Amino acid sequence: GEDVEQSLFLSVREGDSSVINCTYTDSSSTYLYWYKQEPGAGLQLLTYIFSNMDMKQDQRLTVLLNKKDKHLSLRIADTQTGDSAIYFCADYNTDKLIFGTGTRLQVFP
Amino acid sequence: DADVTQTPRNRITKTGKRIMLECSQTKGHDRMYWYRQDPGLGLRLIYYSFDVKDINKGEISDGYSVSRQAQAKFSLSLESAIPNQTALYFCATSSGGRGDTQYFGPGTRLTVL
Repeated sequence: GEDVEQSLFLSVREGDSSVINCTYTDSSSTYLYWYKQEPGAGLQLLTYIFSNMDMKQDQRLTVLLNKKDKHLSLRIADTQTGDSAIYFCADYNTDKLIFGTGTRLQVFP
Repeated sequence: DADVTQTPRNRITKTGKRIMLECSQTKGHDRMYWYRQDPGLGLRLIYYSFDVKDINKGEISDGYSVSRQAQAKFSLSLESAIPNQTALYFCATSSGGRGDTQYFGPGTRLTVL
């Protein structure tokens, strides 16, 4: 079946940029998503990108999609302590979402 | 009020017990989903339903059953709970439209002793 992979941890200093990476195997993806999970909470949709786009920017968030390499990234500019959370990428495939393992972002002062 | 609610939020039970987790939504969505989350494994789909008469198995349906009582309600049952079903369970809904964004409940933490 289709697979989505992410590194498990990322640690950054407050004020720096964070880049969370994701790779997927589905060659027929239509949408790719980024969700954020804060401690003790459910998943909150951050942003998504349509597969015919290369980039999408939304305030501090920039999503880059390299469809040839099946690589998705989420860049968070000026990372704050409130950005500490688990970030999931997900691939929309035949009416279902396939989630990555999640990347735990830790922001230190 | 939250759009997607789950009850209970926490549950501790013993091996062999029957457990029901409930999900309700006020978003008017037709599609509902149950996932489980385990550390390092992300979210895995257990069951999903695209309308009241439609139930589909997901990636890890063994040991689970579901009931779609109404458009707004989707419950997950563990007929005979076992310790490796200890996990965080999420319900989600979507409208089925373009992009089909899913909206998640706050989760139920289930511990099976």
